[in-house]
Amino acid sequence: NAGVTQTPKFRVLKTGQSMTLLCAQDMNHEYMYWYRQDPGMGLRLIHYSVGEGTTAKGEVPDGYNVSRLKKQNFLLGLESAAPSQTSVYFCASSYEQRQYFGPGTRLTVT
Amino acid sequence: DAKTTQPTSMDCAEGRAANLPCNHSTISGNEYVYWYRQIHSQGPQYIIHGLKNNETNEMASLIITEDRKSSTLILPHATLRDTAVYYCIVDVSSGSARQLTFGSGTQLTVLP
Repeated sequence: NAGVTQTPKFRVLKTGQSMTLLCAQDMNHEYMYWYRQDPGMGLRLIHYSVGEGTTAKGEVPDGYNVSRLKKQNFLLGLESAAPSQTSVYFCASSYEQRQYFGPGTRLTVT
Repeated sequence: DAKTTQPTSMDCAEGRAANLPCNHSTISGNEYVYWYRQIHSQGPQYIIHGLKNNETNEMASLIITEDRKSSTLILPHATLRDTAVYYCIVDVSSGSARQLTFGSGTQLTVLP
């Protein structure tokens, strides 16, 4: 099992550009999450999904959209990137009481 | 969700036990204590969790005080690869999606 994978690993955007981050999991988990982590801080939840076709807002959802068209994939979109969205983005899936995290995407917005 | 308090940093000699404390004085009766760690900006990794009994797995042991207001994560024989930020999180256990609230954690440095 690959577990949770994220694409891309690194990306540099200019202000106003858009992009989509892809998260994939092969563990058949119902629940998936997107977090962001700023330097020296803990993770904050952006959006999450409790199953295919459903999404919900987390702690810091503004500026992001998500989609869960397939159970194994959870997409995070930035429609108009801002420097404040420079961060490391982690995707996770969960089963019972454990969350399984991907390796992260390091995004820089200039 | 209950708030947790952890020391900012700790050192431990390689091969010795690392004991990481966590205070959660406002924990509710239905909240579990979870520990995750994050090695050098990788994704966080689940370590262990417990409700009120002490727990042990292949990675660590979790000791929860009788009043449940504090706990200690024990890495019995720390190695250099255990250098990481360790997060103590309290949260309910349910079948629904859970937002884990990560604080600043404890930076554990294992010294050779």
